[in-house]
Amino acid sequence: LAKTTQPISMDSYEGQEVNITCSHNNIATNDYITWYQQFPSQGPRFIIQGYKTKVTNEVASLFIPADRKSSTLSLPRVSLSDTAVYYCLVGLSGGGADGLTFGKGTHLIIQP
Amino acid sequence: DAGVIQSPRHEVTEMGQEVTLRCKPISGHNSLFWYRQTMMRGLELLIYFNNNVPIDDSGMPEDRFSAKMPNASFSTLKIQPSEPRDSAVYFCAILAGGNTGELFFGEGSRLTVL
Repeated sequence: LAKTTQPISMDSYEGQEVNITCSHNNIATNDYITWYQQFPSQGPRFIIQGYKTKVTNEVASLFIPADRKSSTLSLPRVSLSDTAVYYCLVGLSGGGADGLTFGKGTHLIIQP
Repeated sequence: DAGVIQSPRHEVTEMGQEVTLRCKPISGHNSLFWYRQTMMRGLELLIYFNNNVPIDDSGMPEDRFSAKMPNASFSTLKIQPSEPRDSAVYFCAILAGGNTGELFFGEGSRLTVL
């Protein structure tokens, strides 16, 4: 069972780029890396998923180095509404409980 | 369009009472997951179903907890008898489809056991 380690909290300011790094030293060959965002009083929401190198969508970018032992979620030009908890998950895409275990996440606070 | 309806959204009950939480995927899904979230323990996977069959219930705290999925459009999580330490937000989630394994969560049921 691949375990992830993230910073407990981070602070930044509106308009800045925020990078949240997740360590997953025991990632397996078939594992994918998935990030979720959770606002208060809501369930987590899928942000992005990747296997290697770089993935970009309309919300964020995900950078994965060649050894895949870590990943970095990049949020460009954050706003106050990006204040949330961000979770990094590692496991098999499409099924298996390994990919469905959430850690404590990173509490991101964006200030004006 | 994936969607998950949970009920009740809020429930306050007294210790010893039976609690039933409900989950209805808007369109039938073969995989369904129950999570519990507290400040102390974070978001914990309790149980998940595939094709209406429980695949992994190792996260279910104890025998007081039980879950069923009689069909692809309905699932229940029951706590009997309830205890104050069961107070938490309980989320139901489904696999949203496609190849990403993306989980789509409901808005949760906030349970308070006095």
